[in-house]
Amino acid sequence: QKEVEQDPGPLSVPEGAIVSLNCTYSNSAFQYFMWYRQYSRKGPELLMYTYSSGNKEDGRFTAQVDKSSKYISLFIRDSQPSDSATYLCAMEGNNRLAFGKGNQVVVIP
Amino acid sequence: DVKVTQSSRYLVKRTGEKVFLECVQDMDHENMFWYRQDPGLGLRLIYFSYDVKMKEKGDIPEGYSVSREKKERFSLILESASTNQTSMYLCASSPRQVAMYFGPGTRLTVT
Repeated sequence: QKEVEQDPGPLSVPEGAIVSLNCTYSNSAFQYFMWYRQYSRKGPELLMYTYSSGNKEDGRFTAQVDKSSKYISLFIRDSQPSDSATYLCAMEGNNRLAFGKGNQVVVIP
Repeated sequence: DVKVTQSSRYLVKRTGEKVFLECVQDMDHENMFWYRQDPGLGLRLIYFSYDVKMKEKGDIPEGYSVSREKKERFSLILESASTNQTSMYLCASSPRQVAMYFGPGTRLTVT
């Protein structure tokens, strides 16, 4: 089983829709969970991070972590064309950092 | 704002050449990293450093070396470039791994 699994997409949604992204993982030592956004030909930028289980909200973005299911999610409300990017999940624990392969999102005006 | 800069955005080199990729961060971070990113393979860690003159191998160190002589600068060296090293190279720095700041990337083509 891969350490972190993320559906590569692409995921196409109409402007204004809710975007739902998720990752699953196998390493129960992971404690910190992050989401990065990467625009084409740019480096990834940190969007949000959460510690352990629970929800975190930042504007139109909500991150959820369910450690019992080893499942994390990112929701983008009222999606905009400027949200079109690749979203990478990442997880850290016991000095081990692992990234998902990224999920491409296209928001159609 | 944290800034991580990389010496080149695009680079074309010939097989067998020695290639230097430079990375500089301005936030006094202890930790610095080099990744490569390839379609379908995601980010793969090449080397990292937790302190000056200190280096640790990542998941794919073969064919690469690194140098960290100053805290703000972390260099990646391809001793003898090969076509399978054509990739996007990303440098990152962080005060701790949960907040990693990436540079803009260097797209290297080896012909």
